[in-house]
Amino acid sequence: NAGVMQNPRHLVRRRGQEARLRCSPMKGHSHVYWYRQLPEEGLKFMVYLQKENIIDESGMPKERFSAEFPKEGPSILRIQQVVRGDSAAYFCASSPTGPYQPQHFGDGTRLSIL
Amino acid sequence: SQKIEQNSEALNIQEGKTATLTCNYTNYSPAYLQWYRQDPGRGPVFLLLIRENEKEKRKERLKVTFDTTLKQSLFHITASQPADSATYLCALPSSGGGGADGLTFGKGTHLIIQP
Repeated sequence: NAGVMQNPRHLVRRRGQEARLRCSPMKGHSHVYWYRQLPEEGLKFMVYLQKENIIDESGMPKERFSAEFPKEGPSILRIQQVVRGDSAAYFCASSPTGPYQPQHFGDGTRLSIL
Repeated sequence: SQKIEQNSEALNIQEGKTATLTCNYTNYSPAYLQWYRQDPGRGPVFLLLIRENEKEKRKERLKVTFDTTLKQSLFHITASQPADSATYLCALPSSGGGGADGLTFGKGTHLIIQP
C-alpha cells in the first residue's frame, strides 16, 4: 500500500514564477492537508481539503496561494508570483474518514526561490 | 489559537535509558493529542494518538500520558537505542474536536541517543 506521494521532491523557481506542488493521498483516504515548514520553524497548517471542497483554509496566505483537490487526480498547491520568503518545505498529509484518525505524511517538496 | 511548547533544546540520553519528552499546551484541552517522529529530510511519521479520556497509551517501547488538568503530555521511550535519535513532534487538532482537522504542531524536541 503506497504512502502519500509528493512530487517533485525538489523544485527551483525564480522570483515571479509559479510553483505547482502535487500530492497523491494514500489509497482510501479522502482528506488532504497541506503544511509548510520553514527552516528552524515548526510545521504550520495551511489548508484542509476533501474531494472538490476546501474545508478549512485558515492557514493559507491571503494572496498568491491556492489549493485544490479535484474529483480525479492529485491535490495541487499552487503558488503564484513566488518570492524568496516562499522558500520552505511543503508537506502533504492524508487521513481516512472517521474520528480520531492519524495523518500520514509524504516526504515533502523542497521549494527554493532564486 | 492553541499554543504548544516542547523542549527546544536537544535532549541527550544514554543508550538503554528511558527518554522522556514533554509537551505543554495552552487554551482549551483538545479531544486528542498525537506524537510524530521526523527524521532530517523526511516527513513526519505518526507514532501514537491518545484521546482526552485516556490517561495512558502504550505501543512497544513507547508510552504516552495525557493530563488535561496540567495541559500536558509526556512521551517516553524505554530501552532507548541510537536508532531512536530524531525530532519528536507533539500535535493537537486546531479546532480541538475529534473529527478530521488541521493539526497545530509544536516545534519538536531533538532527541539524541548516545551509544
